[in-house]
Amino acid sequence: DVKVTQSSRYLVKRTGEKVFLECVQDMDHENMFWYRQDPGLGLRLIYFSYDVKMKEKGDIPEGYSVSREKKERFSLILESASTNQTSMYLCASSSSGDGYTGELFFGEGSRLTVL
Amino acid sequence: DAKTTQPNSMESNEEEPVHLPCNHSTISGTDYIHWYRQLPSQGPEYVIHGLTSNVNNRMASLAIAEDRKSSTLILHRATLRDAAVYYCILRDRADGGATNKLIFGTGTLLAVQP
Repeated sequence: DVKVTQSSRYLVKRTGEKVFLECVQDMDHENMFWYRQDPGLGLRLIYFSYDVKMKEKGDIPEGYSVSREKKERFSLILESASTNQTSMYLCASSSSGDGYTGELFFGEGSRLTVL
Repeated sequence: DAKTTQPNSMESNEEEPVHLPCNHSTISGTDYIHWYRQLPSQGPEYVIHGLTSNVNNRMASLAIAEDRKSSTLILHRATLRDAAVYYCILRDRADGGATNKLIFGTGTLLAVQP
């Protein structure tokens, strides 16, 4: 079975803390994505990466950074967590070879609460 | 970016067909139409995609209007496990096709009654 694994299902952090959300995929996919999901706003794209050490901003990159040192791993970093970053974070991956039609595979999500 | 419009919620009875509509009047000529669904407490999962012709797979059917300005996801016999949020998405063409970036909206919450 193909798999996207997010390191933590639930996290509670304090305002100002640095937070790392890790995502690993075992499908040798080139593309990886971080979304956040909030009630009434749907899924919004934060950052994506189409290759090792490459990254592109999505629609809401402010307050976040990412790291892709290895093909299978894509990390989302909150340098100084704030309460408005309390959300569900979803990681996904896809193959570049499938172009416009390629399926995104999602992890189960990480629910972050910032106090 | 081309946008989609879906009803916020729909209700169905178990074992009956469900037709989930999606409007995408600004769709471009080579935009693919993708459908994903998100079960409670899970990440979204792929359902089906199409370009011009109707498509069938083991999960659902996708009916695309001739002018491509709308489409309908059809679940032939709804089960309780089909209760989910269904997202209709147009493939973002801004990045030239390499990264398969998808822009999600808020979707349709489908409730299935026993």
